[in-house]
Amino acid sequence: DTGVSQNPRHKITKRGQNVTFRCDPISEHNRLYWYRQTLGQGPEFLTYFQNEAQLEKSRLLSDRFSAERPKGSFSTLEIQRTEQGDSAMYLCASSYRDRASTEAFFGQGTRLTVV
Amino acid sequence: QKEVEQNSGPLSVPEGAIASLNCTYSDRGSQSFFWYRQYSGKSPELIMFIYSNGDKEDGRFTAQLNKASQYVSLLIRDSQPSDSATYLCAVIPRGLGAQKLVFGQGTRLTINP
Repeated sequence: DTGVSQNPRHKITKRGQNVTFRCDPISEHNRLYWYRQTLGQGPEFLTYFQNEAQLEKSRLLSDRFSAERPKGSFSTLEIQRTEQGDSAMYLCASSYRDRASTEAFFGQGTRLTVV
Repeated sequence: QKEVEQNSGPLSVPEGAIASLNCTYSDRGSQSFFWYRQYSGKSPELIMFIYSNGDKEDGRFTAQLNKASQYVSLLIRDSQPSDSATYLCAVIPRGLGAQKLVFGQGTRLTINP
């Protein structure tokens, strides 16, 4: 399968613990995005990478959140000292930057529950 | 004012009819427009994109863009129960660096058999 892959699919953690999610984009895609989605809302942008460079971070991304894409391939999103308000679906998407196409494709998401 | 606005619904349409989903956006310089379908508990799936004013058709789906009115719509012809989902409108705002998708809250569509 050459789609966007996210792991784990589900994560339950206790408040205060750290969690890390992984995203493997479509192989030829050079852009990678992280979004967060809560029930009844559209996805909210968190951050995006072009190759290994993190080009934009949302104001939503507090200092407890950090994302990396060290070799321009897979990416990780870490949340430190989780809070109940962090419970959400975390979505990763990738796209290929060229003049004709900016379509982004999403992975299956990681559903985080903080108890 | 939200950057991308959609009526959250629910929108109920009888099977076989045309479903019409609407979206408005605030940034007049927005460049690219997308419709995603999201089934309950699943991730968004890209179904249509449109970059130029006018209509774009793909099978039973037609996307319509009117940049002057800052309005984009999605028509689904011959609606099927399997089309029941939340439809998300997404926009890429202006600027070379602004390549992120900005989403509306989605419209929940129910097709009644």
